[in-house]
Amino acid sequence: GAGVSQSPSNKVTEKGKDVELRCDPISGHTALYWYRQSLGQGLEFLIYFQGNSAPDKSGLPSDRFSAERTGGSVSTLTIQRTQQEDSAVYLCASSSGWGADSPLHFGNGTRLTVT
Amino acid sequence: GQNIDQPTEMTATEGAIVQINCTYQTSGFNGLFWYQQHAGEAPTFLSYNVLDGLEEKGRFSSFLSRSKGYSYLLLKELQMKDSASYLCAVTPRKADSWGKFQFGAGTQVVVTP
Repeated sequence: GAGVSQSPSNKVTEKGKDVELRCDPISGHTALYWYRQSLGQGLEFLIYFQGNSAPDKSGLPSDRFSAERTGGSVSTLTIQRTQQEDSAVYLCASSSGWGADSPLHFGNGTRLTVT
Repeated sequence: GQNIDQPTEMTATEGAIVQINCTYQTSGFNGLFWYQQHAGEAPTFLSYNVLDGLEEKGRFSSFLSRSKGYSYLLLKELQMKDSASYLCAVTPRKADSWGKFQFGAGTQVVVTP
């Protein structure tokens, strides 16, 4: 079946502009996660959604970052007033279950470049 | 919080064996994942350990010692396609933090002919 789909695959934006990154999880997966990966760095947790529960936003680096998940499926990560340090690959993942024994299935990511 | 350490890079020849170590320090621990990530691609799931011991999956095996905060991923009969970054990730025990997987920086494995 289809995997996790992210769009766009690449995004170049000017400093100060807003961007929206989209994630379509695997159908039926209840948990959805956003991570970002900078060159030479590990994956940095940003936010996760599980079912109808309130999302865990504790990894969002500033209030310029926000995310929504509509209808328990598609998610959008929004970065307002982008800064150069926001440049990274933003990875979305979903999992079928809840808890630590459910592996994450990642999308190919959105490479964001802020000029 | 959790500190996760793994070597930055390892080089091995085709057909050989390589062991990638991962150590972690955590206030609460549930399980440990290994992922493989080829350059420019998404990480893909390799293995999951929650109990002490060795889990074997074909050419790949993963080991966990909860008391020592230590895991390793063993790659046998290396092939050129195994050249990739290998990520160690731990999951916390607290029920309200289960989604916060914490990843190491990854170990770049280079397989040479």
